[in-house]
Amino acid sequence: GENVGLHLPTLSVQEGDNSIINCAYSNSASDYFIWYKQESGKGPQFIIDIRSNMDKRQGQRVTVLLNKTVKHLSLQIAATQPGDSAVYFCAEKGGGTSYGKLTFGQGTILTVHP
Amino acid sequence: GAGVSQSPSNKVTEKGKDVELRCDPISGHTALYWYRQRLGQGLEFLIYFQGNSAPDKSGLPSDRFSAERTGESVSTLTIQRTQQEDSAVYLCASSSGQLMAQHFGDGTRLSIL
Repeated sequence: GENVGLHLPTLSVQEGDNSIINCAYSNSASDYFIWYKQESGKGPQFIIDIRSNMDKRQGQRVTVLLNKTVKHLSLQIAATQPGDSAVYFCAEKGGGTSYGKLTFGQGTILTVHP
Repeated sequence: GAGVSQSPSNKVTEKGKDVELRCDPISGHTALYWYRQRLGQGLEFLIYFQGNSAPDKSGLPSDRFSAERTGESVSTLTIQRTQQEDSAVYLCASSSGQLMAQHFGDGTRLSIL
């Protein structure tokens, strides 16, 4: 079946550094991707999304890159802050009859050291 | 409220009991989703409601699980004859359409003794 996974389960960075979190997906029919941030005891918080007809999208301090050729998604966080420490999930929505349900990866733990 | 609201936030019950979890989506959101998150893992899709269409129940793990939604508002997820493996956080999300971001509540943490 389809699978969305992450290359690195943990990432530690210093405050002020840029962070890159990677995600591989296997469903070439997926048409929509989202990055979520989840803090302990909270639900996932939307960060940024991208549709399959785009390869890059920028938000405030965050950029998502989509490489459909190799089925790879990444989240770049600029000037990482201690408040960015959390678990980050990528999620994909399959195309066709998959409606709106999302398939989530296992998550990457980001730790930002002051 | 401004966000998705779920209740209760925590539920502890004995094996074999039935539980009912509630989700109030963001006002105006036509799509509503339920997911399950086991400790240290990603989210597993359970069920999806979109307007008046038949719900997508493909993620429900067994016939002990069911969900209802009243129009485009409140949804309840019911688990009958709970088992210990049902222990997890149950998360609800809503969105304004299929290709729109899903916004999550903080979940119900369910513990089966």
